[in-house]
Amino acid sequence: GAGVSQSPSNKVTEKGKDVELRCDPISGHTALYWYRQSLGQGLEFLIYFQGNSAPDKSGLPSDRFSAERTGGSVSTLTIQRTQQEDSAVYLCASSLTQGRAYGYTFGSGTRLTVV
Amino acid sequence: DQQVKQNSPSLSVQEGRISILNCDYTNSMFDYFLWYKKYPAEGPTFLISISSIKDKNEDGRFTVFLNKSAKHLSLHIVPSQPGDSAVYFCAASAKGTYKYIFGTGTRLKVLA
Repeated sequence: GAGVSQSPSNKVTEKGKDVELRCDPISGHTALYWYRQSLGQGLEFLIYFQGNSAPDKSGLPSDRFSAERTGGSVSTLTIQRTQQEDSAVYLCASSLTQGRAYGYTFGSGTRLTVV
Repeated sequence: DQQVKQNSPSLSVQEGRISILNCDYTNSMFDYFLWYKKYPAEGPTFLISISSIKDKNEDGRFTVFLNKSAKHLSLHIVPSQPGDSAVYFCAASAKGTYKYIFGTGTRLKVLA
């Protein structure tokens, strides 16, 4: 596609439920990143994929968070047993290489609200 | 420990005047810096970058200045336009790494 596509755009879930957030990067982009932005906070790095492998998962806040990427394309971020502090905008980004010179292209994000 | 800081959460500027957004960092290993602009309900969009080998980079109305000794960078927008009203994030990356560390953002409002 022309840009990074994320779905759903909004998700309201009950505390304790599992959620899956999807990211469809720009075709051909090998690097994929997940960030989140909590209210009043900056963008917090979660995980980085190069192809299908995730060399850096250090930003995942707890073992309730996991992510995978298949076919070097679509990525899914899963949050199990959601908590209210998981409420945030989850942003996916992709880049051709590691994006140092030109940064990443971000999607519009998924706004997750845990009630 | 916040490695990238934007200490001004908001800024209002009159249309046609200069907007100056500031960013400080603590990690001396950072050698690449970006500015992103974010409108509500949209993802951040890349605006301008600067490498640590430079102290200035200009692109149209946007200029980024880097002061390595002070670990400070700034984004100048001249002249400011109402369409520039957005949240601006600075981000920094260290050589040999792939991820950017973002600041908390500054909300710029350009008044017509």
